This record gives sequence, structure tokens and C-alpha cells, in this order.
Amino acid sequence: KAGVTQTPRYLIKTRGQQVTLSCSPISGHRSVSWYQQTPGQGLQFLFEYFSETQRNKGNFPGRFSGRQFSNSRSEMNVSTLELGDSALYLCASGAGVGVSVYEQYFGPGTRLTVT
Amino acid sequence: AQKVTQAQTEISVVEKEDVTLDCVYETRDTTYYLFWYKQPPSGELVFLIRRNSFDEQNEISGRYSWNFQKSTSSFNFTITASQVVDSAVYFCALSDRDDKIIFGKGTRLHILP
Repeated sequence: KAGVTQTPRYLIKTRGQQVTLSCSPISGHRSVSWYQQTPGQGLQFLFEYFSETQRNKGNFPGRFSGRQFSNSRSEMNVSTLELGDSALYLCASGAGVGVSVYEQYFGPGTRLTVT
Repeated sequence: AQKVTQAQTEISVVEKEDVTLDCVYETRDTTYYLFWYKQPPSGELVFLIRRNSFDEQNEISGRYSWNFQKSTSSFNFTITASQVVDSAVYFCALSDRDDKIIFGKGTRLHILP
């Protein structure tokens, strides 16, 4: 079974631009959650999607948004990029709803650098 | 408010030594989940264990063992007979009624050959 895939793996953007990151979950998994990892703040929960609906959201500004498609693939968008958005963005998929109950399988991440 | 503290930022041990990674958590909820994840240099987080708050039994999986003590709000992780492949960053995490995973800052473990 293929694991969680994230594209692109590396990205360099300029302040003020926007970026879209993609995550394909494990086949059959319907839940996708996103996390931001930075040296300063560590690992932080961004949001979780299940059946195309955002069911949970972390404490991030509205510049961070996401969506999930009918095939469970998910995209995350960051608008008006700031230098502090430079991070490793991790996506995880789960077989059911809820990051607590269902084991989360993580992808390799997208390394975003904002200059 | 929920909080996870991993006081050990970095640990180095020689291969075959035992090592314990500490984790202390805070939550007001009576129902919560605790996790340990491993992040090798490749970057992917690897799930190791999940424990719910009603199950205080210690768990052993091969060379790995976990000690959950509600009385001290701790969920410590021990690697017995460490190997170089155990070198990674290890994260302890907590989720409660909000169902949002809160991670500790992580402990970077170096196993020296």
C-alpha cells in the first residue's frame, strides 16, 4: 500500500506570494490533517479534514486554509506569505475521523522557504 | 490549558545502553490520549504508541517500553539496548476533548556507535 505522498517536497517562495501544497492520503483513508513544524514553535496542528469538511482547526491566522476533495486528497493554501511561514509542512492521513482515535500516518513533508 | 513538556532537549548515549525519554503533560480533561512519535532524519513522523487516560498499564514492544503514571502526569519512554537506528527526534503528544494533537518540543536522541 502506498504511503502518504506530499507534493512538492521543496518550495521557495517570496514574501507576499501564495502557495498551495498537496497531500494524497493512503488509499481508503478519508481523514487528512496538516501540521506545521518550525524550529521555534515546534510541531503545531493546523487543521483536519474528513469527507471534504473541515472538522477541526488549530490556532493559525486566516491566511492558512485548506480543502479536501471527494477522492480525499487535500490541499493547503497559505496566502500573503511571511518569513515566519518558512517551515516543514506535514500531512497525515487516518482511516476514520479524529486524530486521537485513529492512528495518523505521516507523509515526508513539504519544506517551504519564504525569502 | 493543555501542555506537553519534554525537558530533555538532546541526549547522547553509547549503543547498547538503555535510555529513558521523559514526558510530562498537563490537561484539565479526564479523558485524553497520549502519544509518542519518532522523527528520523527523513522527516516523516512515525507513530509509536497511543494510550488513553483510562489505561495505565505499562506497555512493552520489543526494545521499547512506556511508563504511564497519572499521579505524576508522566508518560515516559524507554529504549532498551539502544541501537544506532534509534537515533531520531522523539515527540510526546497529547490530545483531549478538542481532538487536536499538542506536541512537546521533542528530544533529539543520538546513539553513538
